[in-house]
Amino acid sequence: SQTIHQWPATLVQPVGSPLSLECTVEGTSNPNLYWYRQAAGRGLQLLFYSVGIGQISSEVPQNLSASRPQDRQFILSSKKLLLSDSGFYLCAWSRRVNQPQHFGDGTRLSIL
Amino acid sequence: AQTVTQSQPEMSVQEAETVTLSCTYDTSESNYYLFWYKQPPSRQMILVIRQEAYKQQNATENRFSVNFQKAAKSFSLKISDSQLGDTAMYFCAFMKRHNFNKFYFGSGTKLNVKP
Repeated sequence: SQTIHQWPATLVQPVGSPLSLECTVEGTSNPNLYWYRQAAGRGLQLLFYSVGIGQISSEVPQNLSASRPQDRQFILSSKKLLLSDSGFYLCAWSRRVNQPQHFGDGTRLSIL
Repeated sequence: AQTVTQSQPEMSVQEAETVTLSCTYDTSESNYYLFWYKQPPSRQMILVIRQEAYKQQNATENRFSVNFQKAAKSFSLKISDSQLGDTAMYFCAFMKRHNFNKFYFGSGTKLNVKP
């Protein structure tokens, strides 16, 4: 069966510090991968998605970037965090076309 | 552009009763998928049910069923025999067919099941 791992579960970082959140998928190959942000009490905002190694599509301009160095690895990064980057970040994967997305457990990011 | 609207920010229901969560969407597409996801306090996103727009029959999954009205662009979720474990945020999501599975989510409805 397929599983998705996302870490860390919780992260507290100072303003201006770098960020690296990692997501890996097991049990499948060549998945579509996604990063979402969920602000408190709100829905999900798609940040990035990837259909293959090295292929990243950005949905909104922001302080974050994403990379996919391996087929089943998706990394969310920032060089300098802002207060507005606080939130709950979810990684998700799906098989190819017309399949639902499956989510990781999320990372709660607090910026101080 | 696709938009998904959930007009009920919060709802409550007594245990064992039935509740319906509403969702409307706006699209010019004819082929698409609709989903309901559940996010309990643990924050995991769990797929509850899916509906393919080209199917007229409403999807059901145990106590969960949908009322899909394509012409009205409405996709409501009915939860029968509500259980305490159903307490969660519920998100409606839209996906265009053949579009890299890009989802458009509603803002969510917080459901409280009371004992």
